[in-house]
Amino acid sequence: EIILTQSPGTLSLSPGERATVSCRASQSVSTKFLAWYQQKPGQAPRLLIYGASNRATGIPHRFIGSGSGTDFTLTISRLEPEDFAVYYCQQFTDSPPGFIFGPGTRLDV
Amino acid sequence: QVQLIVSGGGLVKPGGSLRLSCAASGFTFTDYSLSWIRQAPGKGLEWLSHIGPSGNSIYNGDSVEGRFTISRDTAESTVYLQMNSLRVEDTAVYYCARGGSGSYYRRFEFWGQGTLVAVSS
Repeated sequence: EIILTQSPGTLSLSPGERATVSCRASQSVSTKFLAWYQQKPGQAPRLLIYGASNRATGIPHRFIGSGSGTDFTLTISRLEPEDFAVYYCQQFTDSPPGFIFGPGTRLDV
Repeated sequence: QVQLIVSGGGLVKPGGSLRLSCAASGFTFTDYSLSWIRQAPGKGLEWLSHIGPSGNSIYNGDSVEGRFTISRDTAESTVYLQMNSLRVEDTAVYYCARGGSGSYYRRFEFWGQGTLVAVSS
């Protein structure tokens, strides 16, 4: 069973700064099925990145996904006030088939 | 535009049942997989159940295997989650989400607004 861990649990930064969120898998996973989501209070999550590095439709270029194997990163190059939220990574596994979410990283101002 | 309207949540006693619905519009229903995902109060996201575009591919997470059943009605463009033997720990906001397309289809591209299920005596 694959486990996703995220670090840090909470990240305190200011607008204009760079944010880096890590997602580590307990074993090597496919980049094809690694995604990142943003969730704001009271809202449903929103897809940011899929295939480890592809921005979803309408996602600003300041959101950058990278990584492979067991280590993946979401970088926000210059934080805007609306970026303060919780970020989750997600993977699909073949055996057993199913989806896994990381525990989340809270980005605080 | 893609819409997923979730309904059916509410307060139920432990051991009870509830059926959630997710009405889809704005896309060809039979082209996409759908999943149910939940979020307990103050907690992270937990994937529960997936159904493929034609309904012949279903898989469930361990926490709901044998208690929750996903299904889809093509005529109604709706996906359902039948929840039986509910437990206090099933209390959460329940979301439905649509899969993606192309090579990277194993993602949740669109989400419904969520419905609260509260299990309490």
